[in-house]
Amino acid sequence: GDSVTQMEGPVTLSEEAFLTINCTYTATGYPSLFWYVQYPGEGLQLLLKATKADDKGSNKGFEATYRKETTSFHLEKGSVQVSDSAVYFCAPSSGNQGGKLIFGQGTELSVKP
Amino acid sequence: ETGVTQTPRHLVMGMTNKKSLKCEQHLGHNAMYWYKQSAKKPLELMFVYNFKEQTENNSVPSRFSPECPNSSHLFLHLHTLQPEDSALYLCASSQGTGGTDTQYFGPGTRLTVL
Repeated sequence: GDSVTQMEGPVTLSEEAFLTINCTYTATGYPSLFWYVQYPGEGLQLLLKATKADDKGSNKGFEATYRKETTSFHLEKGSVQVSDSAVYFCAPSSGNQGGKLIFGQGTELSVKP
Repeated sequence: ETGVTQTPRHLVMGMTNKKSLKCEQHLGHNAMYWYKQSAKKPLELMFVYNFKEQTENNSVPSRFSPECPNSSHLFLHLHTLQPEDSALYLCASSQGTGGTDTQYFGPGTRLTVL
């Protein structure tokens, strides 16, 4: 069945460090790919998305490129801030079940000053 | 109000109580969702409604009863819950249920069952 694998957290970085959170997926059909972020005590917020191969989603300094050949959608940011501390979820949409999102356990990021 | 709102934000209930969670979306969307988020587990999709019709019930126990009176409102009625039902319950909405439709989430209701 469809699934997603993210690197396990917590990930701890110093402010201004480079961030990569790996995400790989298995999905039938042609899924769209989403990154959501959850700040403490809040719901999920859409961070960025890509709907077809080689598309790059970007928002707030974060980027991710839809790599169909490697079934990956890694999240990157060049310089993290303390305010980026949150849990990040990679979520492909199921290719054969409409818009059903496939969630993993998320990756917790902690940025220290 | 904008986006997706949920009330109450926190709820403590006994196992014999009956309570309801409310979700409202102000985005003009046609699809609404209930998710359960438990500690250390992936989000679990519970129910999907599209144009007020339930299109998915992900084997959810009958002690959870959803209601969607219109495309803007979604309720989750709770009765005789178990302590393992304690979790964050998230509501979401999207324009449709296609693969490219983005789901927008509310802030959640933190439920504690005693």
